[in-house]
Amino acid sequence: NAGVTQTPKFRVLKTGQSMTLLCAQDMNHEYMYWYRQDPGMGLRLIHYSVGEGTTAKGEVPDGYNVSRLKKQNFLLGLESAAPSQTSVYFCASRGVVYNEQFFGPGTRLTVL
Amino acid sequence: QQQVKQSPQSLIVQKGGISIINCAYENTAFDYFPWYQQFPGKGPALLIAIRPDVSEKKEGRFTISFNKSAKQFSLHIMDSQPGDSATYFCAATGAGGTSYGKLTFGQGTILTVHP
Repeated sequence: NAGVTQTPKFRVLKTGQSMTLLCAQDMNHEYMYWYRQDPGMGLRLIHYSVGEGTTAKGEVPDGYNVSRLKKQNFLLGLESAAPSQTSVYFCASRGVVYNEQFFGPGTRLTVL
Repeated sequence: QQQVKQSPQSLIVQKGGISIINCAYENTAFDYFPWYQQFPGKGPALLIAIRPDVSEKKEGRFTISFNKSAKQFSLHIMDSQPGDSATYFCAATGAGGTSYGKLTFGQGTILTVHP
């Protein structure tokens, strides 16, 4: 039981490049979330999903897209990376009944 | 708009002392208030949580105090240990089906416990 895993762990991009971050959970959770963590700002919700095939915008969605084609996977895409997207990205999941969100280990992204 | 405000940004405590971190929220629809603990290089992990129908919840050395009228809640770490050194986040989420458990986080507090 791996919980929530994220791929890759680190990535360096040049401005304008694209990439996809992968999140996978093996707890059969309905809800999944993508957050970004920046110093002094806590974690801010980018996008979330309440089930397979559904996605919705969070607090800071601009510049990101997501997809949830399979219940266990939640993908975060950056179509044209900008230096302002340099951050640590966390994926989380939770079930419908219990409130606890389980977080992955994070992806550290640097955009030059 | 930061709906959950956390203080202090950083805190240094001696081993055995009490660590206190405070949070204030604005949205009266929030009904679940968790605290997360994060060690360097790791994702946040749930430490303790409270609902507004109680004023205090204790789990071991960790206690949440909740003041509904003031819209404030705090984390107290008794007998603080060097192993407690981490970043702590308060958070809140709302009631109802449309909240979908979305968490609003405070800014975080970096706690250092000196031996």
